[in-house]
Amino acid sequence: NAGVTQTPKFQVLKTGQSMTLQCAQDMNHNSMYWYRQDPGMGLRLIYYSASEGTTDKGEVPDGYNVSRLKKQNFLLGLESAAPSQTSVYFCASRRVLAPSTDTQYFGPGTRLTVL
Amino acid sequence: AQSVTQPDIHITVSEGASLELRCNYSYGATPYLFWYVQSPGQGLQLLLKYFSGDTLVQGIKGFEAEFKRSQSSFNLRKPSVHWSDAAEYFCAVGGEGNKLVFGAGTILRVKS
Repeated sequence: NAGVTQTPKFQVLKTGQSMTLQCAQDMNHNSMYWYRQDPGMGLRLIYYSASEGTTDKGEVPDGYNVSRLKKQNFLLGLESAAPSQTSVYFCASRRVLAPSTDTQYFGPGTRLTVL
Repeated sequence: AQSVTQPDIHITVSEGASLELRCNYSYGATPYLFWYVQSPGQGLQLLLKYFSGDTLVQGIKGFEAEFKRSQSSFNLRKPSVHWSDAAEYFCAVGGEGNKLVFGAGTILRVKS
């Protein structure tokens, strides 16, 4: 049981390049999330997916797209990378059996630098 | 819209001393409240959470937090800090669909 995994761990892009960050979970959770973490700002929600095939915008979706074709995978795309997207990206999945167990589990993060 | 304020960016505590990290939230309904810890280069680990009932919540690693509705606060406490507690701590409030809103974080340094 690996939990939430993210690939790659590190990535350097040039301005204008595109890439996809991958997230996988093996806990059969319905909901998945993408956050970005910037110094002094905590984590901010980019996109989330309540179930396979559905996605919705979070607080900072501009410049990103997502895909949830399979329940276990949630992909985050950068169409044309900009230096402002330099950040650490975290994926999370959510277990909801009851309010007492409603918890998000986080992956180890992807550190992205855009030059 | 919900928001979370962690007033202290950095806190330094001597090993063995007590700790309190402050968290204030803004949310229209009864909130789900969380404390996460992040060690350098790592992801976030859940310390504890409040969703209803007893306002004093016990978590892992000897941490506890108290929900005070009248003060809109959810402060994290530990009676005796260990060097391994040095990390960044995030308070979060859960809204619709459990879309978490995080505070900016508090970096804890532990002096030996």
